[in-house]
Amino acid sequence: QVQLQESGPGLVKPSETLSLTCAVSGYSISSGFYCGWIRQSPGKGLEWIGNIDHNGNTHYNPSLMSRVTISRDTSKNHLSLRLSSVTAADTAMYYCARVGIWMPPSGDEGFVFDVWGQGTMVTVSS
Amino acid sequence: DIQMTQSPSSLSASVGDRVTITCRASQSIGTYLNWYQQKSGKAPNVLIYAASSLQSGVPSRFKGSGSGTDFTLTITSLQPEDFATYYCQYSHSSATWAFGQGTKVEIK
Repeated sequence: QVQLQESGPGLVKPSETLSLTCAVSGYSISSGFYCGWIRQSPGKGLEWIGNIDHNGNTHYNPSLMSRVTISRDTSKNHLSLRLSSVTAADTAMYYCARVGIWMPPSGDEGFVFDVWGQGTMVTVSS
Repeated sequence: DIQMTQSPSSLSASVGDRVTITCRASQSIGTYLNWYQQKSGKAPNVLIYAASSLQSGVPSRFKGSGSGTDFTLTITSLQPEDFATYYCQYSHSSATWAFGQGTKVEIK
């Protein structure tokens, strides 16, 4: 059974760096799947943060690109999220998710977040 | 970047009703469109991928349709467990992946 579990500090001070980990079980992150991070501010919608593929290549939301780093540790089968220079606007529930891949009849592959972690709440406050 | 716009932002319906949610892309996205359901306090779950393909384990009352810029999620007979918020999402290759703002389905 595929499972993802986020963890990290629930409180981060403004201007510091938010660091989260996502432990993956049930499949290898160095296999054909990508993984991604998504966040949701309280009472708001979902925001895609970025992905990392099975080769370690990353793809980020341009609105966060200057502050975000997604990495992976294949020996521990987990991925990490770092978001620097945080402000109150970064207060959110942070989710990691597996990215499934599907192939259309023609054209490039499509992607879908097919397994989600339960999320971890991060508050930015002094 | 492609923007995804859902309508309505919320709706009230009764058990057994047919419910339709619309998602519009700011430019053509083929069928690179997914639908998710999020219940209060829980992580989202995928219902539909590739605009119309039903995710394994999802009840057949959920139907997705559309291509290009206009997409629809239909719940053919609303059940008590379907009261939730629904999101569409565009995800293709190296483009900026984007979610719609969500549609909250409430009990009438």
